[in-house]
Amino acid sequence: DSGVTQTPKHLITATGQRVTLRCSPRSGDLSVYWYQQSLDQGLQFLIQYYNGEERAKGNILERFSAQQFPDLHSELNLSSLELGDSALYFCASSVDGTTDTQYFGPGTRLTVL
Amino acid sequence: GQQLNQSPQSMFIQEGEDVSMNCTSSSIFNTWLWYKQDPGEGPVLLIALYKAGELTSNGRLTAQFGITRKDSFLNISASIPSDVGIYFCAGRGGNYGGSQGNLIFGKGTKLSVKP
Repeated sequence: DSGVTQTPKHLITATGQRVTLRCSPRSGDLSVYWYQQSLDQGLQFLIQYYNGEERAKGNILERFSAQQFPDLHSELNLSSLELGDSALYFCASSVDGTTDTQYFGPGTRLTVL
Repeated sequence: GQQLNQSPQSMFIQEGEDVSMNCTSSSIFNTWLWYKQDPGEGPVLLIALYKAGELTSNGRLTAQFGITRKDSFLNISASIPSDVGIYFCAGRGGNYGGSQGNLIFGKGTKLSVKP
């Protein structure tokens, strides 16, 4: 158990819909990262937050957005969902924004039908 | 953009055998990391490498940061059934937070161990 929690574990929805994935980092960790894992693309970095502020952006689509709240939990919002958005979405956390020791959560499996 | 080529894609070995896998990049990396992912779990960091030529061990695992800074290797000695999983390499090119400072992951090596 990494100490990072993600909800829900599974999510099934339809194209065009909007969903919100939630992540709670390890106690004491200030930085949160979101990744998308699909069979053909592997693990792709989406976005990083540090202490409530956006720190780095990866291959995140404009239809996706994220935020980190004052209590340091983070939410990833996916809108206008397409079939290709079906994937595992991982959240990771680290003590600060400059360490490579990222602790990954168990992931949310999103299926878009 | 930066890409990592990880090989082999999968391995099926006998318990007790040694395992080698590698990652190569088209560009230079400043950090190389190796992760393991078990089914239904998130990746877990195994080894981190920060300097060209660095050789680091974690139990039966040994990883090396290639001299050219464009590759890294992971070796597992005397494999056991619990080594089963997907091993990912990851690299970081630039500074943290910069446009090239994010982790880029390889597509993984799936390891199966036959008792």
